[in-house]
Amino acid sequence: AQSVAQPEDQVNVAEGNPLTVKCTYSVSGNPYLFWYVQYPNRGLQFLLKYITGDNLVKGSYGFEAEFNKSQTSFHLKKPSALVSDSALYFCAVSPYGNNRLAFGKGNQVVVIP
Amino acid sequence: NAGVTQTPKFQVLKTGQSMTLQCAQDMNHNSMYWYRQDPGMGLRLIYYSASEGTTDKGEVPNGYNVSRLNKREFSLRLESAAPSQTSVYFCASSDRTELYGYTFGSGTRLTVV
Repeated sequence: AQSVAQPEDQVNVAEGNPLTVKCTYSVSGNPYLFWYVQYPNRGLQFLLKYITGDNLVKGSYGFEAEFNKSQTSFHLKKPSALVSDSALYFCAVSPYGNNRLAFGKGNQVVVIP
Repeated sequence: NAGVTQTPKFQVLKTGQSMTLQCAQDMNHNSMYWYRQDPGMGLRLIYYSASEGTTDKGEVPNGYNVSRLNKREFSLRLESAAPSQTSVYFCASSDRTELYGYTFGSGTRLTVV
């Protein structure tokens, strides 16, 4: 069965500083990997995905994520955080050919002005 | 394009009452899902439907039933609500998850008193 670990409950970062949200996964075979963002009182919104190809994938709102197969990680990054990036971020994984996503517990990101 | 629509957005129930959460998608997706979100526990899958006419239990199905009424609609029923079912409920749909991920509704905030 697939699983996702997001080790930090909350990430605090000053506005303008780089933002990193960590994710490690466990899955049989090649993974599909996703990041979602949830703003207060809203549903989850798709940010980016890794299916195959380049290990660095770019997504919405200036976010990117790096797939590292040897470390089974898929960390989310943004070079310069904005206050509006304050939200809950979820990493998700599914094995190749399977529609079922497993979600991590989520990371609360707080960007301090 | 509405995407995934959930009703109601808010509900307060008394212990023992029943209710049905409605979900409809207009993207012609085959798969639909019901999740609950609780603080510190991330998203937990209650039930899912891989295609019209099929439903399967997820991680936390006890106390819930579902109906895949047609390809568009997937409802979640609480037969006898308990305080432990106080949560935010999300419906999602997908088709070819590897390409598009999941599309989420905006959620139903349920309080059982």
